Amino acid sequence: DQQVKQNSPSLSVQEGRISILNCDYTNSMFDYFLWYKKYPAEGPTFLISISSIKDKNEDGRFTVFLNKSAKHLSLHIVPSQPGDSAVYFCAASYTGANSKLTFGKGITLSVRP
Amino acid sequence: EAGVTQFPSHSVIEKGQTVTLRCDPISGHDNLYWYRRVMGKEIKFLLHFVKESKQDESGMPNNRFLAERTGGTYSTLKVQPAELEDSGVYFCASSPYSGRETQYFGPGTRLLVL
Repeated sequence: DQQVKQNSPSLSVQEGRISILNCDYTNSMFDYFLWYKKYPAEGPTFLISISSIKDKNEDGRFTVFLNKSAKHLSLHIVPSQPGDSAVYFCAASYTGANSKLTFGKGITLSVRP
Repeated sequence: EAGVTQFPSHSVIEKGQTVTLRCDPISGHDNLYWYRRVMGKEIKFLLHFVKESKQDESGMPNNRFLAERTGGTYSTLKVQPAELEDSGVYFCASSPYSGRETQYFGPGTRLLVL
């Protein structure tokens, strides 16, 4: 059973517009969430994270929103750039999980020039 | 500073053969993780070392998989004998501490079992 779900396999947006990538989770024990970005033939690269005590975390063009009651988080990229085209993985962990990350399947983002 | 390195980058073997994957973490990182991504699916946790000790091996699929980290530096993941369903990309990651520390991933080893 998948505990972290990224139900949309792909997203295409125009350069300069907003990209919104969604993620849902089922395990209510998760209290820390991360987004990783992955280019072809490379490993995932950490992008941004959020603790369950917050509902928003911002880093430059990237903002992550957390809705605990809905068990939903989203990554907003504004403005989107062609270099943002990659696979984005949502991941989660919880205190006591010994750092183990549970990933979703990933979303392929394409930013059109 | 060098990142996490993995060797080989690709491996094609026949069912029943043995393959050993190697991971060199970032220097000074006590925590080392192995993950696997089967094509089109999520990245799944395999195990976690703290120095040379296995902290969590709950994700290891079965006893055909053996991970070691002698001396607390590099790690090897051996698959013996390999099965078709073992095909996928094996990622290694490291972090300086446990808990909510960023895990830095290597480029992965792409394993194809024919």
